Amino acid sequence: QKEVEQDPGPLSVPEGAIVSLNCTYSNSAFQYFMWYRQYSRKGPELLMYTYSSGNKEDGRFTAQVDKSSKYISLFIRDSQPSDSATYLCANGGLMKTSYDKVIFGPGTSLSVIP
Amino acid sequence: DAGVTQSPTHLIKTRGQHVTLRCSPISGHKSVSWYQQVLGQGPQFIFQYYEKEERGRGNFPDRFSARQFPNYSSELNVNALLLGDSALYLCASMRVKNTEAFFGQGTRLTVV
Repeated sequence: QKEVEQDPGPLSVPEGAIVSLNCTYSNSAFQYFMWYRQYSRKGPELLMYTYSSGNKEDGRFTAQVDKSSKYISLFIRDSQPSDSATYLCANGGLMKTSYDKVIFGPGTSLSVIP
Repeated sequence: DAGVTQSPTHLIKTRGQHVTLRCSPISGHKSVSWYQQVLGQGPQFIFQYYEKEERGRGNFPDRFSARQFPNYSSELNVNALLLGDSALYLCASMRVKNTEAFFGQGTRLTVV
């Protein structure tokens, strides 16, 4: 079982739709959770960072973490064509005595159709 | 403030050659990590450096090595290149542990 899993998609939605992207993880020791957006042939761009269970909102984006079920979601409201990208779920905090590494899921490809 | 900068942006090498990739972290960030991203997959952790010391290593062969300099910039070296080393190599900087990791735009390496 991979440490962080995502449905690779592709996911296609009409402009203005609410998008739900999901991620599951296997190791309950993960302490913090991130979502990155990656455009084709570019580096990942940090969207959301959260350290605990619950919801975190930033503009049109809401990240939801449920540590009890090891389930993470990213919601995008009023989706725009510019949101078309690959969304990477990333977890960290495994290394308690040294500096950390981030474990990524494979990413979900999203297309928002005008 | 400048973000994480990587050079070069693109590189084409022949099998068996050696390559050096460079990264400058965000000002004030002391930790640099390297990741390999093969097309269609998420980034895979290669190395993490802090204060010029290797603090973590992923499941990569000894052909991969790295170092960090006193100004916190870093180099990733890959020897005896294989076709399978073709990928986007990403550098991330982190201020301290358990904070956000910010990525550069990557170096796209093609091995022919």
